[in-house]
Amino acid sequence: GAVVSQHPSRVICKSGTSVKIECRSLDFQATTMFWYRQFPKQSLMLMATSNEGSKATYEQGVEKDKFLINHASLTLSTLTVTSAHPEDSSFYICSAPRPGQGSDTQYFGPGTRLTVL
Amino acid sequence: DQQVKQNSPSLSVQEGRISILNCDYTNSMFDYFLWYKKYPAEGPTFLISISSIKDKNEDGRFTVFLNKSAKHLSLHIVPSQPGDSAVYFCAASFLYNTDKLIFGTGTRLQVFP
Repeated sequence: GAVVSQHPSRVICKSGTSVKIECRSLDFQATTMFWYRQFPKQSLMLMATSNEGSKATYEQGVEKDKFLINHASLTLSTLTVTSAHPEDSSFYICSAPRPGQGSDTQYFGPGTRLTVL
Repeated sequence: DQQVKQNSPSLSVQEGRISILNCDYTNSMFDYFLWYKKYPAEGPTFLISISSIKDKNEDGRFTVFLNKSAKHLSLHIVPSQPGDSAVYFCAASFLYNTDKLIFGTGTRLQVFP
């Protein structure tokens, strides 16, 4: 079964509103979670690294004030797309590595399809 | 700058035949390479990986080959099955941060009967 969940799976919102996406590790604690974005026919692009108890680390070109990340507990990270615009429409995926086991056991959530009208 | 590239956006193979998916990378500092399989509206699932100290890793029907001098890796699936139809991503990481993955653009594999 799934070990990382995301909610919601699909969201449609009006331009200018904020959208929160949740990522949960279901049977392990994740001190680190990753957020990716995938545009159609493009690769998964790492947006930021979410660190439990500290600030997220953002990749170059990703606006931290627009994509707010909160890793409030060892099983939950949230990504909030603030003042969303149509160009933010994308597929957002989170992942979490099982501690101590490296990249092989990095589990991905099912993704969230965001459509901004 | 796309550090990991999959130049074939799609591949069509007959069931039972071999599927070969290719991946090129530009950063010689990558230490670890992985292949992920992704179905529509789902997150990627891990398939197979290879360390930079090896040139081949096999797991059942899946074999990954690494050619470091050419900065090239490939995934062989044999025999191909219709259930293998999906998008395949290769990814690379560094030894000092194996959790941070850099993905290729993906290749859509279709296996037809």
